[in-house]
This record gives sequence, structure tokens and C-alpha cells, in this order.
Amino acid sequence: GAVVSQHPSWVICKSGTSVKIECRSLDFQATTMFWYRQFPKQSLMLMATSNEGSKATYEQGVEKDKFLINHASLTLSTLTVTSAHPEDSSFYICSARPRGGVNTQYFGPGTRLTVL
Amino acid sequence: QKEVEQDPGPLSVPEGAIVSLNCTYSNSAFQYFMWYRQYSRKGPELLMYTYSSGNKEDGRFTAQVDKSSKYISLFIRDSQPSDSATYLCAMSESGGYQKVTFGTGTKLQVIP
Repeated sequence: GAVVSQHPSWVICKSGTSVKIECRSLDFQATTMFWYRQFPKQSLMLMATSNEGSKATYEQGVEKDKFLINHASLTLSTLTVTSAHPEDSSFYICSARPRGGVNTQYFGPGTRLTVL
Repeated sequence: QKEVEQDPGPLSVPEGAIVSLNCTYSNSAFQYFMWYRQYSRKGPELLMYTYSSGNKEDGRFTAQVDKSSKYISLFIRDSQPSDSATYLCAMSESGGYQKVTFGTGTKLQVIP
């Protein structure tokens, strides 16, 4: 089956620092990757959609200068939380949509970010 | 009103019971409907994927979509303790690259 990995699985950082989260599709090429944020007992909220080689499309209310997304290859996308604050603490999940028109997306295991 | 409404539960059932999980939605343009299972501190895993109205069965799982009522269901037969997880419904207006909207998830506990 399609496997998506995320690294790190959890991270604790100080307020004001930047954190980079990697999302990799291990056994398929992903032309589109999605980044979600999930707060406790809440739904997954789409933050942005990124297509390989182009700029990410951000959802309304998501600051593109704070959440930098790079989709450098067909198997790797990164999310950088810049100048993190405690309110950015959340569970960040990526997903990847395979090339070839399959109408689904495969999720990574998530990264738990805690900002002190 | 949220686009997708899902009872958060928790729902506790004895092992072997039939479980019914439901979502309602308001956007009549939704055509693709998914159910995901999410274990604690893990990413969601796709369980069922259906297009438009009708039923789809896969092993112990049956997904139903009633577009006229804007109501979807997931039935789990012969529930097992390993089914204990949060179940998220999700839907989109079209396949391909369209945005997927998720419900908040229903937490299910199957008691041995």
C-alpha cells in the first residue's frame, strides 16, 4: 500500500524559533501534497495544498509567511513553522495524492508540535 | 452551520455489536464521500470511498450515502476491540485535486 512518512513525529521548541516538518511519499510519486492541522477533538483543517514545482495554495486565514511550504520533488514536501508561538502547538498531518488521477489521498502519521 | 456535522461520541459498544456512524452535510455539491479511521496520535487511514448515492461493502464495513437527505453512514459488523479508534467522515465536490472537508470524528470504543 501507499506509505507516507513524516519527520519528526514530535517536536518541542521554544517560542520564536522555526520548525521544519518533512513529508515523504515512500513508494509512489505525489503530484499533490496537503498539509492539515488538527487540534484536540477537532477536525482536520486544511492549511494548504502544494503541487510539485509550484507555489502552495493556502486556505483562507492561514498565513503563508508563517507556514512556509516547499514541494521540491514528487516525493517530498516540507512545512516550516516560522517564529513559532504556543498557539501554533498542534498536530500537523500531511497527505499525498498519487500521480495518475486516483481520487484519494494517503496520510502521514502526523507530527505533534509543542511550542513552549 | 458547519459544512459537515458528525457526532463526536464517544460511542461504546460490546464486542460483536453492529456499529452505526453517521454524518450530515449541507453542501449539495459534495459527490465523493470517504470514511477514515484514525488511531490515537496517528494519521487517518482510508477505509471506504464512495461516489454519489448508494451502498458499498468491504468486509465488515458498509458505507451508505443518501444524497437526497445529505446523510452518510458507516456500518461496522461484528465489531472488534481493534476497531476502537476515531472515525472521520470526509467529502469533496469532485475527485482529482479538490479540497476535502472532514467531519470532527466519532470516537468508538469496542469493549471486549
